[in-house]
Amino acid sequence: EPEVTQTPSHQVTQMGQEVILRCVPISNHLYFYWYRQILGQKVEFLVSFYNNEISEKSEIFDDQFSVERPDGSNFTLKIRSTKLEDSAMYFCASSLQVLRTSGGTQQFFGPGTRLTVL
Amino acid sequence: AQKITQTQPGMFVQEKEAVTLDCTYDTSDPSYGLFWYKQPSSGEMIFLIYQGSYDQQNATEGRYSLNFQKARKSANLVISASQLGDSAMYFCAMREGGNQFYFGTGTSLTVIP
Repeated sequence: EPEVTQTPSHQVTQMGQEVILRCVPISNHLYFYWYRQILGQKVEFLVSFYNNEISEKSEIFDDQFSVERPDGSNFTLKIRSTKLEDSAMYFCASSLQVLRTSGGTQQFFGPGTRLTVL
Repeated sequence: AQKITQTQPGMFVQEKEAVTLDCTYDTSDPSYGLFWYKQPSSGEMIFLIYQGSYDQQNATEGRYSLNFQKARKSANLVISASQLGDSAMYFCAMREGGNQFYFGTGTSLTVIP
């Protein structure tokens, strides 16, 4: 069964450093997402991406964040200058399509990357 | 106002019993989807069940069913015949017409042998 994959599973970085989190969505999916989950808290939406551009982003997704689909398979989240409060689990997700009349189809989540900022 | 509210931070259920996890939502969009995800201690998010706002019948997936009460804006998850492996965090989520998912704060379910 196809699945979303994420690398690395755990990333440790120093405050102020840049990190790139990588995701490989399911191959025929068209919509891609990043979420984060601070330890013990709820999952928070960061950004959605379609047709090589951001379609929606939350207030969390400020200028320190960027996303890219550098080739036909990878989808990356870059944090330019990490802060302590960026420590969280970051989930990538993908979905095949958006169906407005039904409220949408399901997202498939990757296993997550745990980011620790020291 | 919160888009998704889960009022039960923790629940306990006896093995083989049924349990209901509560979820209420807030939207003015007539078109939306409601989802339940399971997050075991390993951290991954596992899709369980989906209910569309125009669906006439409650969704069911094996031991999972969604008690959808549209007028009350509730979408409770019912797990029948609980198993020890059901112990996990459970998140209710909603997607409106756009691409953003809203998650609740989750309910931690513990199945007691």
